Amino acid sequence: GIQVEQSPPDLILQEGANSTLRCNFSDSVNNLQWFHQNPWGQLINLFYIPSGTKQNGRLSATTVATERYSLLYISSSQTTDSGVYFCAVGAGSYQLTFGKGTKLSVIP
Amino acid sequence: DSGVTQTPKHLITATGQRVTLRCSPRSGDLSVYWYQQSLDQGLQFLIQYYNGEERAKGNILERFSAQQFPDLHSELNLSSLELGDSALYFCASSVGSGTEAFFGQGTRLTVV
Repeated sequence: GIQVEQSPPDLILQEGANSTLRCNFSDSVNNLQWFHQNPWGQLINLFYIPSGTKQNGRLSATTVATERYSLLYISSSQTTDSGVYFCAVGAGSYQLTFGKGTKLSVIP
Repeated sequence: DSGVTQTPKHLITATGQRVTLRCSPRSGDLSVYWYQQSLDQGLQFLIQYYNGEERAKGNILERFSAQQFPDLHSELNLSSLELGDSALYFCASSVGSGTEAFFGQGTRLTVV
């Protein structure tokens, strides 16, 4: 099956700093999603981005499908951005395969 | 709010027991997925249903089973529970296979 690797595994930021999270995947995909798991365990959809670039407020994402990676940018981080960020990919009609996540801690 | 509803939110039960987790997908979504999130295994795909039929199976134990009903809600049945089954169980739904999936808030199962 598809392998998904996320980096870095852990990230500590000062409030207001910017960051880039990376997701590498091992095969062609037609579905790529970024999620934020908050401290209460909820998985919140951030982006559905099998290719191209999208922006939503302070967050943006880029997927380069031909090179099998995706990037999530967080600008002007806030303490509420803390949590775990997951990249998940799918190929064909198959289910999503998740990476192990990046644990982000934003400190005041 | 993702539109996917899972009940119950929390469940505490003893080893050897059986429990049923329920999921109502978003309106219009035909695909339902079940995932298990444990500390050591991360988010693992269990099983997928599409319009009432099983579509794909992942790392689902034989003690676990699921079904999707005509009204498209789904149930995950966990039997002969072991301590290691303690985890957060998520349901997700999408319009079809391979389209954007939305997750419920999860059911936190604790086996004691």
